[in-house]
Amino acid sequence: DAGVTQSPTHLIKTRGQHVTLRCSPISGHKSVSWYQQVLGQGPQFIFQYYEKEERGRGNFPDRFSARQFPNYSSELNVNALLLGDSALYLCASSLATSGAYEQYFGPGTRLTVT
Amino acid sequence: KQEVTQIPAALSVPEGENLVLNCSFTDSAIYNLQWFRQDPGKGLTSLLLIQSSQREQTSGRLNASLDKSSGRSTLYIAASQPGDSATYLCAVRANSKLTFGKGITLSVRP
Repeated sequence: DAGVTQSPTHLIKTRGQHVTLRCSPISGHKSVSWYQQVLGQGPQFIFQYYEKEERGRGNFPDRFSARQFPNYSSELNVNALLLGDSALYLCASSLATSGAYEQYFGPGTRLTVT
Repeated sequence: KQEVTQIPAALSVPEGENLVLNCSFTDSAIYNLQWFRQDPGKGLTSLLLIQSSQREQTSGRLNASLDKSSGRSTLYIAASQPGDSATYLCAVRANSKLTFGKGITLSVRP
């Protein structure tokens, strides 16, 4: 079975631009979470979605937004990019939102903002 | 606010050594704790997940323990190999999110 997939693998953007990152969860998983990992740090929670609704939000500015589609895939959007947004963006899926369910991570999207 | 600490930030050991990686967290109200491995520039590979009701989990040469009341977990790696060189992160789950430590970068010398 396919794991969590993310696209694109890498991308380079300029300050002030907008970016969209995509995630497809494991088949049957209805919850998707997004994390940002800056170099040398552990991942930081951005959002969790379940059944197309936001179920959790981390301490990130409103420039960050996300949505989940009927097929449970998800997009993370970042507007007005800053140099500090350069990071590895990780998507994780799980069966549901309960903490008892394990989160499975994708390979990530490496975003470089110049 | 949950905080997860992993000390030291880096560790270098000779091949064949048994080693212990430590993780501490401030809030014991967790659902579970996971240990991950991350190779440079790559995503996260889940190694072990311990539910809050469990004390330990084992997979091959890896054994993870959890003492929720004291806010501590350890990852034991037996007979380390150069291929074990990577960054090891622990994360605790509460509500909707995982809270991660900064990781321990392990180097196993041949």
